[in-house]
Amino acid sequence: AQSVTQLDSQVPVFEEAPVELRCNYSSSVSVYLFWYVQYPNQGLQLLLKYLSGSTLVESINGFEAEFNKSQTSFHLRKPSVHISDTAEYFCAVSAPHQAGTALIFGKGTTLSVSS
Amino acid sequence: KAGVTQTPRYLIKTRGQQVTLSCSPISGHRSVSWYQQTPGQGLQFLFEYFSETQRNKGNFPGRFSGRQFSNSRSEMNVSTLELGDSALYLCASSLAAEDGGYTFGSGTRLTVV
Repeated sequence: AQSVTQLDSQVPVFEEAPVELRCNYSSSVSVYLFWYVQYPNQGLQLLLKYLSGSTLVESINGFEAEFNKSQTSFHLRKPSVHISDTAEYFCAVSAPHQAGTALIFGKGTTLSVSS
Repeated sequence: KAGVTQTPRYLIKTRGQQVTLSCSPISGHRSVSWYQQTPGQGLQFLFEYFSETQRNKGNFPGRFSGRQFSNSRSEMNVSTLELGDSALYLCASSLAAEDGGYTFGSGTRLTVV
């Protein structure tokens, strides 16, 4: 079984500051890792994912995350945030190649960007 | 291409009633998963269907059920609604759940009064 821990429930930052949202996972098998973003009254949008290959993955809007197998982490970073990045962010894990595998989500981190 | 479509967007039901939610996946996607999102419990997996077969089920009571049709559209049903069933219900589609390519719909907001 897999589990995900998002270490911060709320992260307040000022515009143009760097940010890191922390995510640790637990699994007895290899995993796929995901970051999703959710804006108010909307569904989940995929931000980025790690399936295999390079441990550093990037999104089109400046976010990046690094898969660290030894530390079982997949922290999300952005060097300079914008007001529009204010949202809730979810880290998730799934077990690859298992039929019907489910996404297991963390509790979420609310990122609040102020000017 | 069209995304994942969930209908209706909002629902208000009374305790004891039943409700059916619908999800139309992206064309070509054969896997549909359902999730419940509440402030207290977060995002929890309900079940996954692939080619009309339920392959996986989360830890929810039997009042929660689902099905998938031959065109991959899926419905979930909740019978004998309770106040605690108030939540955002999200549907995700993928070619196959195990390939890591999930796309979520905007959800159905169910309020039980």
